[in-house]
Amino acid sequence: AQSVTQLDSHVSVSEGTPVLLRCNYSSSYSPSLFWYVQHPNKGLQLLLKYTSAATLVKGINGFEAEFKKSETSFHLTKPSAHMSDAAEYFCVVREGGYNKLIFGAGTRLAVHP
Amino acid sequence: DTAVSQTPKYLVTQMGNDKSIKCEQNLGHDTMYWYKQDSKKFLKIMFSYNNKELIINETVPNRFSPKSPDKAHLNLHINSLELGDSAVYFCASSQQGANTEAFFGQGTRLTVV
Repeated sequence: AQSVTQLDSHVSVSEGTPVLLRCNYSSSYSPSLFWYVQHPNKGLQLLLKYTSAATLVKGINGFEAEFKKSETSFHLTKPSAHMSDAAEYFCVVREGGYNKLIFGAGTRLAVHP
Repeated sequence: DTAVSQTPKYLVTQMGNDKSIKCEQNLGHDTMYWYKQDSKKFLKIMFSYNNKELIINETVPNRFSPKSPDKAHLNLHINSLELGDSAVYFCASSQQGANTEAFFGQGTRLTVV
């Protein structure tokens, strides 16, 4: 079975500094991986997705993620945090052959002035 | 235009009542889902429908009954509501396929008192 582990439940950064949200996955197949963001009391919005094309994936709002098969990782990064980035971030894997997205536990990103 | 819309946004009800949440998508997708988000923000799939047929039914109490009258709609009916049913319920849709992302509604916050 496939799964994802988000290594940090909370990350706190200062505005203008880099963001790193860590995600490791477990998969028997070549996985499809996603990052979603949830702002307070809002729905989930897709940031980016990896689907076995380029290993460095660029998403919206300046976020990007790199798929590293050797490390089974799909970490999310942004060069410079903005106050509006404060939200909950979810790393997600699609279970191969099934219509099922499996979510990590989430990482809450706080951005301080 | 709202892609995935669910109603109501908030639902407060007493234990033992029966309630329904409605979901509609206008993206032309053939797969729809219900996810439950608990108080710790953890998201877990409940049901998945493909072309109106149930294809995923996780270990959900049979008090929860999904109904898909057509590909664009997936409603969730809950009988005999319990305190533990309090959560945010998200509807989502996607195209069939291994690499496709899901689009989520804004969520329904259910509070059972």
